Amino acid sequence: DQQVKQNSPSLSVQEGRISILNCDYTNSMFDYFLWYKKYPAEGPTFLISISSIKDKNEDGRFTVFLNKSAKHLSLHIVPSQPGDSAVYFCAAMYNNNDMRFGAGTRLTVKP
Amino acid sequence: GAGVSQSPRYKVAKRGQDVALRCDPISGHVSLFWYQQALGQGPEFLTYFQNEAQLDKSGLPSDRFFAERPEGSVSTLKIQRTQQEDSAVYLCASSLLPPGNTHYGYTFGSGTRLTVV
Repeated sequence: DQQVKQNSPSLSVQEGRISILNCDYTNSMFDYFLWYKKYPAEGPTFLISISSIKDKNEDGRFTVFLNKSAKHLSLHIVPSQPGDSAVYFCAAMYNNNDMRFGAGTRLTVKP
Repeated sequence: GAGVSQSPRYKVAKRGQDVALRCDPISGHVSLFWYQQALGQGPEFLTYFQNEAQLDKSGLPSDRFFAERPEGSVSTLKIQRTQQEDSAVYLCASSLLPPGNTHYGYTFGSGTRLTVV
């Protein structure tokens, strides 16, 4: 039961350009969405979140957009830097203990 | 310590062996979670503690999996009679506040990679 889906296993962009990571979900009860970043041999690190009552949240180079009608969210990184190269996980929850994760997208930012 | 600490980092177990995985959350964090991450997948929820109380164990895949947090700090995930399908990275996460206050997400440890041979 894959309630959170990241359909692109990998993404490669040039340094300085925009990275767009996509995520789709099926459960309309989700009321909070998060993005985590994971480097090899480390645990996921919280990056940015958005409440379902909003459609955009921005934090520096990172912006998350939420389209509830399409059950879709995206993470934009502008400008992309080589240090952004990592696996990015989309996660969703509905005010309980069960945070559902997507399978992740591996971002590679080329110098 | 400053972060969530998990031990051991790597564990190889023979099929049928029992294993115990340890998690030291950030001091003072109320909530503690265990996740299982199979290769190429995202983390899957296993169980949740609020202080010493195990409030949700709906994600534990079988009765071979058992978790405890007796004093509301360190937690142990025990897997009895390990099977090959138990091979995964087991992640522990902690949060200062109970769920519902997720503005800052959870702090994850680096995980324990379990390989059952």
